[in-house]
Amino acid sequence: NAGVTQTPKFQVLKTGQSMTLQCAQDMNHNSMYWYRQDPGMGLRLIYYSASEGTTDKGEVPNGYNVSRLNKREFSLRLESAAPSQTSVYFCASSEALGDATYGYTFGSGTRLTVV
Amino acid sequence: GEDVEQSLFLSVREGDSSVINCTYTDSSSTYLYWYKQEPGAGLQLLTYIFSNMDMKQDQRLTVLLNKKDKHLSLRIADTQTGDSAIYFCAESGGGGNKLTFGTGTQLKVEL
Repeated sequence: NAGVTQTPKFQVLKTGQSMTLQCAQDMNHNSMYWYRQDPGMGLRLIYYSASEGTTDKGEVPNGYNVSRLNKREFSLRLESAAPSQTSVYFCASSEALGDATYGYTFGSGTRLTVV
Repeated sequence: GEDVEQSLFLSVREGDSSVINCTYTDSSSTYLYWYKQEPGAGLQLLTYIFSNMDMKQDQRLTVLLNKKDKHLSLRIADTQTGDSAIYFCAESGGGGNKLTFGTGTQLKVEL
């Protein structure tokens, strides 16, 4: 099925370990996003990529890096994981920033626990 | 910056109507959205409304927009247990800005 695919679905890390969350979309969308979801705080934007070759910081970028590998793929890297990064991470894509007609398409999320 | 606020919880009985409210601060918002998140899943777009509209109806869903008060609501008629989920309000500013999401309202439907 067409959509946004995130891997892995679950991950447990020790403090200080690094990992990369992968995201791929097959809808030929230009824009891609990484959000984290924490109880009572909604979705907070970590980084986004308006188009292939560009990335920008969102609301909570500290401790993360991203790579827009090509039009399809947008990865999120935690260089040295901290317990405060325990969260559910969502990747999303859209035709363009603020696309109205179809909004954003979300992946099913990665549940990350840092111990 | 933009801010979108929602109450955290709402509980209704099956068959009743649910009204989920949202307030936003960006007066240049062009579109406003409602997303639904079921347990263990990502967000799915339910509906959206253009800022020059007051109301939009789509089957059991009615969206009301009060632009003067920057207030958006989602009414679900004849609420069913399958409507139990978290509902997020979101807005996009003028000029193609990215979406800003609210905190989400957890709707619980009781028998």
